[in-house]
Amino acid sequence: ELKVEQNPLFLSMQEGKNYTIYCNYSTTSDRLYWYRQDPGKSLESLFVLLSNGAVKQEGRLMASLDTKARLSTLHITAAVHDLSATYFCAVDIMEYGNKLVFGAGTILRVKS
Amino acid sequence: GAVVSQHPSRVICKSGTSVKIECRSLDFQATTMFWYRQFPKQSLMLMATSNEGSKATYEQGVEKDKFLINHASLTLSTLTVTSAHPEDSSFYICSATSGDFYGYTFGSGTRLTVV
Repeated sequence: ELKVEQNPLFLSMQEGKNYTIYCNYSTTSDRLYWYRQDPGKSLESLFVLLSNGAVKQEGRLMASLDTKARLSTLHITAAVHDLSATYFCAVDIMEYGNKLVFGAGTILRVKS
Repeated sequence: GAVVSQHPSRVICKSGTSVKIECRSLDFQATTMFWYRQFPKQSLMLMATSNEGSKATYEQGVEKDKFLINHASLTLSTLTVTSAHPEDSSFYICSATSGDFYGYTFGSGTRLTVV
């Protein structure tokens, strides 16, 4: 059974600080996704990582993928309040019918 | 980019009635659509996968007679919650894929409240 584990589940950080959210998965994946969810809203796509060593950056967020370690990271640089949201990683595996399996999510609160 | 429209965004219904939620891919053909359910402060739970023109595949523990899914065309899937009860109150989200590089596109979600 495919498992996707995220940690931490809750993260409270000060503005201006850096931090990393980790996403481990239990089997070989085809693609890894990061999403953002604001309260009461649906998912907003942040990154799609396709291959080992992939690194993508958008603003203060940077995602990377290590397929050998089955690990993806979402790094937050110099956090600002607007980044407060819940972040999910999800893994796409064709042998499971090409469907997403989500991590539990990380609730991020950035304090001024 | 790919857009998925989901309606209604909010619905309140009485216990025992049925509610239909629509999910449309606006600018691409969705070979596969997915329905998720999300409880407060929890992750998304996949309920079922539907392919155009065929019966939906339900995840273990999801009652297929209660959650009716129809994927009649390459751009439309519907989820009908039949004989709704308060415990069915939740946030329902659809997503769609054309099976290519672009991955999955999510609808805006439907907040269902059963009173």
